Amino acid sequence: QVQLQESGPGLVKPSETLSLTCTVSGGSISGYFWSWIRQPPGKGLEWIGYIYYSGSTSYNPSLKSRVTISLDTSKNQLSLKLNSVTAADTAVYYCARLERRWEYGDQPWSFNFFDYWGQGSLVTVSS
Amino acid sequence: DIQMTQSPSSLSASVGDRVTITCRASQSINSYLNWYQQRPGQAPKLLICAASRLQSGVPSRFSGSESGTEFTLTITNLQPEDFATYFCQQSFVTPYTFGPGTKLEIK
Repeated sequence: QVQLQESGPGLVKPSETLSLTCTVSGGSISGYFWSWIRQPPGKGLEWIGYIYYSGSTSYNPSLKSRVTISLDTSKNQLSLKLNSVTAADTAVYYCARLERRWEYGDQPWSFNFFDYWGQGSLVTVSS
Repeated sequence: DIQMTQSPSSLSASVGDRVTITCRASQSINSYLNWYQQRPGQAPKLLICAASRLQSGVPSRFSGSESGTEFTLTITNLQPEDFATYFCQQSFVTPYTFGPGTKLEIK
């Protein structure tokens, strides 16, 4: 059973860099896409970006200038860095696996979904 | 970005009821629509992928359907553990976007 666990500081000062790590256990990082998603308290979900095990990335344009997602395959970990944070970045941050599934019928196609999630890490931006 | 809307934003129902939640995309997303359940203090849990495919281990009382850009999550025979918030999410194109959620409460 794949398990994800986020870790990192729960409090970050405005203008500083938010850094989180997600440790994957029960399975390998290889062969999958891995995402970060956040949820401000009492609000909806926002996709931050993903990284493929090869290292290629895709980021939400709304955050792209401030975000870096990276992998450490030797430790089975992914990381998130978000710089120049403000109070608007206060949220629960989740790491999740983005699975891609293929169906082979008349016309093969693939679709993806977030199938495993970490428990989430609340990060508060405050001085 | 593709905007996802959900209706209703909240609803009250009783154990044993049948409920329907609707999700609409601002443009065509084919069948690239997933549904998640989130209980308070927990991470979202995948229920349905590709509009109608039930995730392994999810009870068969959950089902999904689609009609154009409108997608529906139906829960029959509501159980106490089903009272939660439900989100739809499009995976047609990045940035992936989620609906605002529908909170299902006990009447």
